[in-house]
Amino acid sequence: EIVLTQSPATLSLSPGERATLSCRASQSLSSYLAWYQQKPGQPPRLLIYDASNRATGIPARFSGSGSGTGFTLTISSLEPEDFAVYYCQHRSNWPRTFGQGTKVEIK
Amino acid sequence: EVQLVESGGGLVQPGGSLRLSCAASGFIFSNYEMNWVRQAPGKGLEWISYISSSGSTIYYADSVKGRFTISRDNAKNSLYLQMNSLRAEDAALYYCAREVILPPYNFDSWGQGTLVTVSS
Repeated sequence: EIVLTQSPATLSLSPGERATLSCRASQSLSSYLAWYQQKPGQPPRLLIYDASNRATGIPARFSGSGSGTGFTLTISSLEPEDFAVYYCQHRSNWPRTFGQGTKVEIK
Repeated sequence: EVQLVESGGGLVQPGGSLRLSCAASGFIFSNYEMNWVRQAPGKGLEWISYISSSGSTIYYADSVKGRFTISRDNAKNSLYLQMNSLRAEDAALYYCAREVILPPYNFDSWGQGTLVTVSS
C-alpha cells in the first residue's frame, strides 16, 4: 500500500497570502496524483489531477506540481473561500489511498 | 446535472449489517466506474471499495475486505454497499464517488454522504 504523507498538518495564513502544501509518497506515483478540497459539511471537490492539471472550473490560483514521490499544491493568493482541508490521493494502483489532509486556516 | 444520492445509513449494533445505496442521475451510469469512500467524524478520507462500469472488477481496502460487498445495478442506476460484521471503527460518513476513465480520471463527482453509526 502506498502511503501519502501531507505536510504541514495545519497552515495558518491570511487572505492574499500564498499557500504551499506538500504531499510525499512512499513510492513513485509517476504523475498519478490528485488534490481535493473539502469544506465543512461538504463532500470533497476535485481540484488537480495528474499532478498539475486543473479540473473543470477550478480557478487559476490553484496549481499543482511534482512527480515521482514529491508533489506540491500551491494557492497563489488565498481567497476567503479557500480556507478548507486539502487532501492528496494517488491512482497509481490499488488501494487508492489518501493523505491525511492539510487544513488551511485563517490566521 | 450529475447527482449522486446516498441512503441507507443509520444506527446499527456491533456485529450488525447495513446496506447502503447510491442513486445516480444526470449521466450514463453504466459508463462510469464507482467507488465508496468513508470519513470518520473529524477524520480524513478513506477509500474503501471500487467497482468497474460493468461490475466485473472489484477492489476493497484491507480494512473492509471479507465484510463489505460492493455491487451495482446499471438498469436501476444504482450502486450498493453491503456491510456485514460492523465494528465501532466502521462508523463514518459514507460517500459514493464517480470515477472517470478519461481526464480528469479521478473522483470527479461525489454524493453528500450517508452516516453510519455503530454502537450498542
